[in-house]
Amino acid sequence: AQSVTQLDSQVPVFEEAPVELRCNYSSSVSVYLFWYVQYPNQGLQLLLKYLSGSTLVESINGFEAEFNKSQTSFHLRKPSVHISDTAEYFCAASTQGGSEKLVFGKGTKLTVNP
Amino acid sequence: KAGVTQTPRYLIKTRGQQVTLSCSPISGHRSVSWYQQTPGQGLQFLFEYFSETQRNKGNFPGRFSGRQFSNSRSEMNVSTLELGDSALYLCASSFTSGGSRQYFGPGTRLTVL
Repeated sequence: AQSVTQLDSQVPVFEEAPVELRCNYSSSVSVYLFWYVQYPNQGLQLLLKYLSGSTLVESINGFEAEFNKSQTSFHLRKPSVHISDTAEYFCAASTQGGSEKLVFGKGTKLTVNP
Repeated sequence: KAGVTQTPRYLIKTRGQQVTLSCSPISGHRSVSWYQQTPGQGLQFLFEYFSETQRNKGNFPGRFSGRQFSNSRSEMNVSTLELGDSALYLCASSFTSGGSRQYFGPGTRLTVL
């Protein structure tokens, strides 16, 4: 069975500082990997995804994540955060060629302070 | 294209009642998945429907059921509500089943008193 672990439940940082949100997965089969962001009282928005090919994937707002098969990780990074990045971030996995079932981590609350 | 819409956005019920939530997927999308989000359990998969057939089901009791119509709209029903059913219920749609991108709606916030 798949599982996704987000190692930090809360990450406080100062504005313009770099941040890394950690995610590890376990699966016996090939997976797709995703990062979603949820702003207060809203649904989930896809931030970026790894399907295949280049192991480094980027979003339009400066986030990037690197798929590391040997370490079964998909950490999310941003070199310089803004106050507007304050949100909860979820790492998720689904089975390649399987159904649409997403297995989510518990989430990481990122708080960017001035 | 309009996004995924969910109705109602907020709902208050009492224990023992039943509730029906609705989800309209993005036009052309045939797969609809439902998730429950609670502070304690996080995001958990409920079920997925594709072309009116349930394709996958999570570990929820039989009180949770769903269906999908020919226009791909989906409904989720919870019978005999319990306090623990209070949650944000999220619906997601995608073009195909087993695909790689789900689009989420804003959710329905259900409160059970």
